[in-house]
Amino acid sequence: GAGVSQTPSNKVTEKGKYVELRCDPISGHTALYWYRQSLGQGPEFLIYFQGTGAADDSGLPNDRFFAVRPEGSVSTLKIQRTERGDSAVYLCASSLGGRTEAFFGQGTRLTVV
Amino acid sequence: QKEVEQDPGPLSVPEGAIVSLNCTYSNSAFQYFMWYRQYSRKGPELLMYTYSSGNKEDGRFTAQVDKSSKYISLFIRDSQPSDSATYLCAMSGNTGGFKTIFGAGTRLFVKA
Repeated sequence: GAGVSQTPSNKVTEKGKYVELRCDPISGHTALYWYRQSLGQGPEFLIYFQGTGAADDSGLPNDRFFAVRPEGSVSTLKIQRTERGDSAVYLCASSLGGRTEAFFGQGTRLTVV
Repeated sequence: QKEVEQDPGPLSVPEGAIVSLNCTYSNSAFQYFMWYRQYSRKGPELLMYTYSSGNKEDGRFTAQVDKSSKYISLFIRDSQPSDSATYLCAMSGNTGGFKTIFGAGTRLFVKA
């Protein structure tokens, strides 16, 4: 596609539920990033994939968060036992391998009630 | 202390003014410096991308990097109401596509 696509654009879930957030990167981009952005803050790094493997997952806050990219293209961010503090906009970005300028999707706004 | 510091503003200027946005950082390993623009309820949009020190100009936008002072700037000439947005500085330190650290963003309002 022309840009990074994220689905759903909005997700409301109950505390304790499991959610999956999807990211379709720009075609040909081997690097994929997940960020989380809280109100009034800049994006906070979560995880970075180069191809199918997670090259850096140091930003995942705890073991309730997990992300996969099984075929080196689409990625899914999975959150178990959601908490109200997980409410934020989850942003996905992609870039060409070896380049650091990343292009972002519009984000998924997650609200945990 | 945060790795990247950015004044959140808001910054309000009249149309046509020159805008100066700035960030400081503490990690001397940063080599790649970026500015993103983010409109409300949208993802960040890459504006400028600079490697190491120096200036880069693109239309009304000029990015400056001073690695000796650990200070980066974005200048917007002839500002327009459509420039009203949040401007995020971002930086990273590895050529292999590494995690990027963002500032908190500065909210800019350009009044017609």
